[in-house]
Amino acid sequence: AQKVTQAQTEISVVEKEDVTLDCVYETRDTTYYLFWYKQPPSGELVFLIRRNSFDEQNEISGRYSWNFQKSTSSFNFTITASQVVDSAVYFCALSKAAGNKLTFGGGTRVLVKP
Amino acid sequence: DSGVTQTPKHLITATGQRVTLRCSPRSGDLSVYWYQQSLDQGLQFLIQYYNGEERAKGNILERFSAQQFPDLHSELNLSSLELGDSALYFCASYGGGGLFFGPGTRLTVL
Repeated sequence: AQKVTQAQTEISVVEKEDVTLDCVYETRDTTYYLFWYKQPPSGELVFLIRRNSFDEQNEISGRYSWNFQKSTSSFNFTITASQVVDSAVYFCALSKAAGNKLTFGGGTRVLVKP
Repeated sequence: DSGVTQTPKHLITATGQRVTLRCSPRSGDLSVYWYQQSLDQGLQFLIQYYNGEERAKGNILERFSAQQFPDLHSELNLSSLELGDSALYFCASYGGGGLFFGPGTRLTVL
């Protein structure tokens, strides 16, 4: 069975601070996909990134970066120089294959104070 | 805007009633997924359809059913509603390397 654990339930930072969200996953599959989603207060789920298990290269997109470490089954997400608009719940998710259902972690609520 | 549409945005109903949630996937996407988000259960996968056929089933109650029509829109039917069915119901479609979610339907059962 697949499992995703986001141990941090809530993180509070002051604007311009960096914040790192932890995601640890469990799967018996040799290939799989990892995702991050953002859920702002308005409620929609916004797709941020998909990473497949055979590509361990880290990725950067603007102020967002992701660190995938297969050896520790982790896929951490860092927001650099946080802004108030980054306040949201962030979900990490895992799927067995492209197009398969996602197993979500419990989410981490990020509060960025001005 | 993900391109996935859901209606209605909000739904308030009473226990024992039946409701229908509607979803249209992104243009060109053949698959539809339904998820339920509640405070106690988090985000739970309910069911997946691909081009009209059921592809995978998750934690979907027997009181719930879904279908995908030839035009690829999907409906999730919830019957004999209970207070615990109050949740945010998301539809999603797969394409372009990711699973894209609609804005959700917030169901409140009173």
